[in-house]
Amino acid sequence: AQTVTQSQPEMSVQEAETVTLSCTYDTSESDYYLFWYKQPPSRQMILVIRQEAYKQQNATENRFSVNFQKAAKSFSLKISDSQLGDAAMYFCAYRSDLYNFNKFYFGSGTKLNVKP
Amino acid sequence: EPEVTQTPSHQVTQMGQEVILRCVPISNHLYFYWYRQILGQKVEFLVSFYNNEISEKSEIFDDQFSVERPDGSNFTLKIRSTKLEDSAMYFCASKRGAGTEAFFGQGTRLTVV
Repeated sequence: AQTVTQSQPEMSVQEAETVTLSCTYDTSESDYYLFWYKQPPSRQMILVIRQEAYKQQNATENRFSVNFQKAAKSFSLKISDSQLGDAAMYFCAYRSDLYNFNKFYFGSGTKLNVKP
Repeated sequence: EPEVTQTPSHQVTQMGQEVILRCVPISNHLYFYWYRQILGQKVEFLVSFYNNEISEKSEIFDDQFSVERPDGSNFTLKIRSTKLEDSAMYFCASKRGAGTEAFFGQGTRLTVV
């Protein structure tokens, strides 16, 4: 079974600074998707960014970018110019491309604190 | 922008009672999911549903759980006899097809007392 590991339970960053959240995963599949979801105190799951494994180019979405290292099975999230509204739990997630109804596997999450 | 809608946002129920959590997926979506997140823990897969049947379920999804798409728009999760350990946030998700994005609802917080 696939596993997703987030080794940083909690991190802090100063407003306007840059922070990187780590994620590693384990899979024997070659085609899959990786995601970062943000979960604010309201506990809604908000998609931040998505990466297709077949793409070598790292995904970017405004201030959010990833460093996808397929061989190392690593998928880190970089948040630039951190804002107070970025404070939340961040979950890394894996989804296989093998089946149509494939499910997500989530990591345990990293709580990000943003200091003014 | 279309979204997945879940009701209620918070439900409190007594142990042993039946609860039904409701979800309205995005209208042209064909694949439906329920996930659960116990407070402080990771989000866990419960069940996936396609073509009016369960396509996959986890070990958590035992005989106390059932899902239904009763009218072509709603997707429900029923817990027959709730236990204290069923207290969690329940997320519904849907997607249109293979390789497409899945969208999550805002969640229903279930508290069993």
